[in-house]
Amino acid sequence: DIQMTQSPSTLSASVGDRVTITCRASQGISGWLAWYQQKPGKAPKLLIYKASTLESGVPSRFSGSGSGTDLTLTISSLQPDDFATYYCQQYNSYPWTFGQGTKVEIK
Amino acid sequence: QVQLQESGPGLVKPSGTLSLTCAVSGGSLSSSHWFNWVRQPPGKGLEWIGEIYHGGSTNYNPSLKSRVTMSVDKSKNQFSLKLSSVTAADTAVYYCARDSAGIVRGYFDYWGQGTLVTVSS
Repeated sequence: DIQMTQSPSTLSASVGDRVTITCRASQGISGWLAWYQQKPGKAPKLLIYKASTLESGVPSRFSGSGSGTDLTLTISSLQPDDFATYYCQQYNSYPWTFGQGTKVEIK
Repeated sequence: QVQLQESGPGLVKPSGTLSLTCAVSGGSLSSSHWFNWVRQPPGKGLEWIGEIYHGGSTNYNPSLKSRVTMSVDKSKNQFSLKLSSVTAADTAVYYCARDSAGIVRGYFDYWGQGTLVTVSS
């Protein structure tokens, strides 16, 4: 299985901050990576796929980058609605696997 | 707008079988999408369980493969999950999710709201 490791596990930030979350894969995943946002009691919501392609309707302050084994999710200016937990997921090879999550908290 | 809705017992006894169904509306199960199950233990991360195509083809997570069975009912536009020999470790919110269609697929663009299944006597 491909192991996905996110860092940090928790991030404290303020509205307006630039936030970066990293996802490291245990082997190359050729950019086949998705990012999801999850709020308490809700299903995950797709933000980005193919490492950097923004899902329709997702605000442009979200962006994804990286290649090989190190990929990042950036929120350019954190908004109140963005406080949530974020997960990366690889779909390069079975079984699909997720990172452990990064919780973005209010500072 | 595609919608997915999980249903099934919220409580299952240890050693029993967990059975859930996901009803798909606003779209056809017979489209070019695979349909998935993902679970999340309370306070923990996400785990992919497996996927099924309308023709009946499946792919399961090896960690659960010996206990998982998925099926489709095209007449009802729904698909199902059975997980046998459950223990407390199988207590989780279970989500159904639709895979993206296309040459490269594997991420999930539509999710159900999730249903909590507790394994307890």
